[in-house]
Amino acid sequence: DPKIIQKPKYLVAVTGSEKILICEQYLGHNAMYWYRQSAKKPLEFMFSYSYQKLMDNQTASSRFQPQSSKKNHLDLQITALKPDDSATYFCASSQEQTSQNTLYFGAGTRLSVL
Amino acid sequence: GDSVTQTEGLVTLTEGLPVMLNCTYQTIYSNPFLFWYVQHLNESPRLLLKSFTDNKRTEHQGFHATLHKSSSSFHLQKSSAQLSDSALYYCALSDPAGGYKVVFGSGTRLLVSP
Repeated sequence: DPKIIQKPKYLVAVTGSEKILICEQYLGHNAMYWYRQSAKKPLEFMFSYSYQKLMDNQTASSRFQPQSSKKNHLDLQITALKPDDSATYFCASSQEQTSQNTLYFGAGTRLSVL
Repeated sequence: GDSVTQTEGLVTLTEGLPVMLNCTYQTIYSNPFLFWYVQHLNESPRLLLKSFTDNKRTEHQGFHATLHKSSSSFHLQKSSAQLSDSALYYCALSDPAGGYKVVFGSGTRLLVSP
């Protein structure tokens, strides 16, 4: 059974619309992350949360907003979608946010913006 | 900020030949953690091996790497490539100076042919 659940697996959106990517982890981890993978920038760090608090944000645009309603949830809201947002978005988690902790990735949400 | 540089693009090998994927890094912190993640086609990245100790060989699943702080390198090696090794390999770095976020290199795609 997957321990990090991302929904949906595939998502097609029109330019200008808004979507929410869902992530839930059942590993008991305290840190969660969002990464984006595209042909232009493989595995690009977006956000990190530790104990439901935002620790780091490397996303230049405010159109990307993480939402943590529970300790094991970290959703990603994307507004005013653009074709350049097309990518696979990976949610990840680690036991704690320290140097040595291994990242565990979900299966990803593949977003296509038309 | 932290950065990781890997062998560019695609590396093609014949089965049975040795594998060497280069990774160098830049950080102001003296004790970084270095990682190799592997991503097979249509899968999410997963940890292959990691190291913190200078000049100590780390091995997993037939692969090995040694962190050399003097040259800021963490090259991935395997003595004999297998068809199943075909995948995308990411070298990554984490340290307190970077807020513990894991920074990935651009990835090296390894293609092993019969």
